Amino acid sequence: EAQVTQNPRYLITVTGKKLTVTCSQNMNHEYMSWYRQDPGLGLRQIYYSMNVEVTDKGDVPEGYKVSRKEKRNFPLILESPSPNQTSLYFCASSLYAGREAFFGQGTRLTVV
Amino acid sequence: QKEVEQNSGPLSVPEGAIASLNCTYSDRGSQSFFWYRQYSGKSPELIMSIYSNGDKEDGRFTAQLNKASQYVSLLIRDSQPSDSATYLCAVNRVDSNYQLIWGAGTKLIIKP
Repeated sequence: EAQVTQNPRYLITVTGKKLTVTCSQNMNHEYMSWYRQDPGLGLRQIYYSMNVEVTDKGDVPEGYKVSRKEKRNFPLILESPSPNQTSLYFCASSLYAGREAFFGQGTRLTVV
Repeated sequence: QKEVEQNSGPLSVPEGAIASLNCTYSDRGSQSFFWYRQYSGKSPELIMSIYSNGDKEDGRFTAQLNKASQYVSLLIRDSQPSDSATYLCAVNRVDSNYQLIWGAGTKLIIKP
């Protein structure tokens, strides 16, 4: 089954404790991206990766890191989480940038 | 002016009626247009994509694109209570690596 898989689905952590949210797709898509969604603010892009060689900042990259060492995986790293990073996070992939995006199930992160 | 604008709603429509959702965008060079449905707390799922002017129909859904007027709309015929959700419009931004720009969404409520 073609899908984008994020883990974990739910995470409660403390301020400053490094965490990683994993994202994997099995559709051989070149493009992957991370979004956060907050009430009233819609989907905001954090980082995106055009392919394994190109990664770039989205609209809200501060406090986040990503890596794209292989085509299928695109983890999101929070080196020192803060309460303002409490949000619902989505990973998405598409064949190429600007094409239909397919989303993971989401990760609800709470930083206390 | 936001790059992609949608009426936040809620839009209330009687069951069985036609729901009409609208989206305007600012980038005249945009080439790809998408409608997603998102249930509360869930990930967005693709309903329709449209790339050329005119109408595109898929079951109860019709997407309409007018590039000259810079708007895209989604019609839902024979609305069902299960159509109650937030509908997101996404448009690619040509001048920024074809990233998708998202509207904030329109909340649709179908009343039985």
